[in-house]
Amino acid sequence: QKEVEQDPGPLSVPEGAIVSLNCTYSNSAFQYFMWYRQYSRKGPELLMYTYSSGNKEDGRFTAQVDKSSKYISLFIRDSQPSDSATYLCAMVLSGNTPLVFGKGTRLSVIA
Amino acid sequence: ETGVTQSPTHLIKTRGQQVTLRCSSQSGHNTVSWYQQALGQGPQFIFQYYREEENGRGNFPPRFSGLQFPNYSSELNVNALELDDSALYLCASSLGGTSGSNEQFFGPGTRLTVL
Repeated sequence: QKEVEQDPGPLSVPEGAIVSLNCTYSNSAFQYFMWYRQYSRKGPELLMYTYSSGNKEDGRFTAQVDKSSKYISLFIRDSQPSDSATYLCAMVLSGNTPLVFGKGTRLSVIA
Repeated sequence: ETGVTQSPTHLIKTRGQQVTLRCSSQSGHNTVSWYQQALGQGPQFIFQYYREEENGRGNFPPRFSGLQFPNYSSELNVNALELDDSALYLCASSLGGTSGSNEQFFGPGTRLTVL
């Protein structure tokens, strides 16, 4: 079993839809959780960074962490064609330790 | 504030050759981490440098080596290139130490093709 599981998709939605992206993890010692967006042939861009269980909102993006279920989600409201990218979940144990990534989910938002 | 930069953008090498990739960290950051991202996969941790010392290593063979310089820029060296080394190599910078955070900011990557 991989440490972080993420459905690679692809996921295709119409413009304006609500998108739900998810990851599960096996190591309960993970403390910090991130979502990165990666456009084709570019480096990952940090979107959301969370620590505690619960929700964190930033504009159209909401990150949700459920440590008891070892499950994290990213919701995108009013999705736009410019949101078309690969979304990577990542997590770390503590401090400046290495990021452990999921495989990434490829999202296409169709105008 | 200057972001993370990497050079070169693209590189083509043949099996058995050696390659050096370079990374300049974000202003104010003292930690550089290197990741390898194969096509269709998430990035895999290679190693991390904090204040010029290696500070952790992933499951990569010794032919992957690195350096960090006093200005916190970094190099990744790969010897005896193999076909499977073809990937996007990503550098991430962060502020390490007791006042640091886990937020790692990535550069655009170097795409290496081994023929």
